[in-house]
Amino acid sequence: ETGVTQSPTHLIKTRGQQVTLRCSSQSGHNTVSWYQQALGQGPQFIFQYYREEENGRGNFPPRFSGLQFPNYSSELNVNALELDDSALYLCASSLPGPINTEAFFGQGTRLTVV
Amino acid sequence: AQRVTQPEKLLSVFKGAPVELKCNYSYSGSPELFWYVQYSRQRLQLLLRHISRESIKGFTADLNKGETSFHLKKPFAQEEDSAMYYCASPEGTGANNLFFGTGTRLTVIP
Repeated sequence: ETGVTQSPTHLIKTRGQQVTLRCSSQSGHNTVSWYQQALGQGPQFIFQYYREEENGRGNFPPRFSGLQFPNYSSELNVNALELDDSALYLCASSLPGPINTEAFFGQGTRLTVV
Repeated sequence: AQRVTQPEKLLSVFKGAPVELKCNYSYSGSPELFWYVQYSRQRLQLLLRHISRESIKGFTADLNKGETSFHLKKPFAQEEDSAMYYCASPEGTGANNLFFGTGTRLTVIP
């Protein structure tokens, strides 16, 4: 069984640029959630995808968008990067189900916006 | 929506001493609560969930509705327990995305 993998591990971008982060979900998991973790904070929910459709969204502006592919892998896209977007971005996959379903996290992508 | 708060950013205890990591929730119904842990250089992982009423690595967490708390406890801390601990709850009814607390860094002093 393969775990959740994210790429790249680190990334530096300039303010105003666009970035795409990638996530491969754990084998058999068709639900993917993305979280932003700023320094010293807990992860904050960005959005979730289930069967290629957005299935819930946190308090993030539309310049944060995503995709899920038929193999359940996912992308997080951020347009018009701002300095405050610097954070660790976590992907988590899970099986759909009741609210006590365990989320399996990737190692994260560390994004720095300069 | 359910919310959790962790009042302590840092907690240090000596090896063998009891540990209690605090988590309070704000929700009027029956909450669903989790503890996630992140060891150094490892990914965030589930430690335990309240619905399972289980003990993992010697840790337990009891839901106290009167105090709206879900504190994580271990009677005798070990050095390998040093990690970042997050309390979490689903964002809303029926949701399986999570709202995380700000986390508590536990350091067990040898």
